[in-house]
Amino acid sequence: GAVVSQHPSWVICKSGTSVKIECRSLDFQATTMFWYRQFPKQSLMLMATSNEGSKATYEQGVEKDKFLINHASLTLSTLTVTSAHPEDSSFYICSAVEPAGALETQYFGPGTRLLVL
Amino acid sequence: QKEVEQNSGPLSVPEGAIASLNCTYSDRVSQSFFWYRQYSGKSPELIMSIYSNGDKEDGRFTAQLNKASQYVSLLIRDSQPSDSATYLCAVTRNTGFQKLVFGTGTRLLVSP
Repeated sequence: GAVVSQHPSWVICKSGTSVKIECRSLDFQATTMFWYRQFPKQSLMLMATSNEGSKATYEQGVEKDKFLINHASLTLSTLTVTSAHPEDSSFYICSAVEPAGALETQYFGPGTRLLVL
Repeated sequence: QKEVEQNSGPLSVPEGAIASLNCTYSDRVSQSFFWYRQYSGKSPELIMSIYSNGDKEDGRFTAQLNKASQYVSLLIRDSQPSDSATYLCAVTRNTGFQKLVFGTGTRLLVSP
């Protein structure tokens, strides 16, 4: 299957700082990537849809000014958590869509665990 | 009503048995259905995708889809302790890009 990477895998930061997470599709081009957040013992919650060359589409309740998304190329999307606070501590996972004719499949990155102190 | 519903479990089966995981969805026009496996602390891994009614087999895994009943299931034959994980059912919405809607997952425990 297709490979999606994320960097960093772990980040610990102080409250008020900004953190950037990278998501890369390694062996395919992805016009669409998704960003999810998962709190302990909960399922994945979609935060936003990242589209190459255009603005991201955010899900209801997700602050676009706090979670900045940039999809600058067909293989890279970044999520920046601005002015992070302890309640932003979570497991952030990206996925990339691999086009396969009429059928598309999402492949997930390994995730980034964020701890805000 | 949740869009995608799964029994949270845990579902406990002995090694070698068949594990049956079930999922129902509310959006009748859902098009694509996926099963992901998630180990604790890891991201989801795609196990199966299914798009049309009936069964789809891949190794020890069989996905079953019944659109009339809005029901999708995953059977794991010859269950192994390494299959112990949370299994997430996901469906695509009928509009927009392939936005997946996830169930809360069923935790499977396979005992040796």
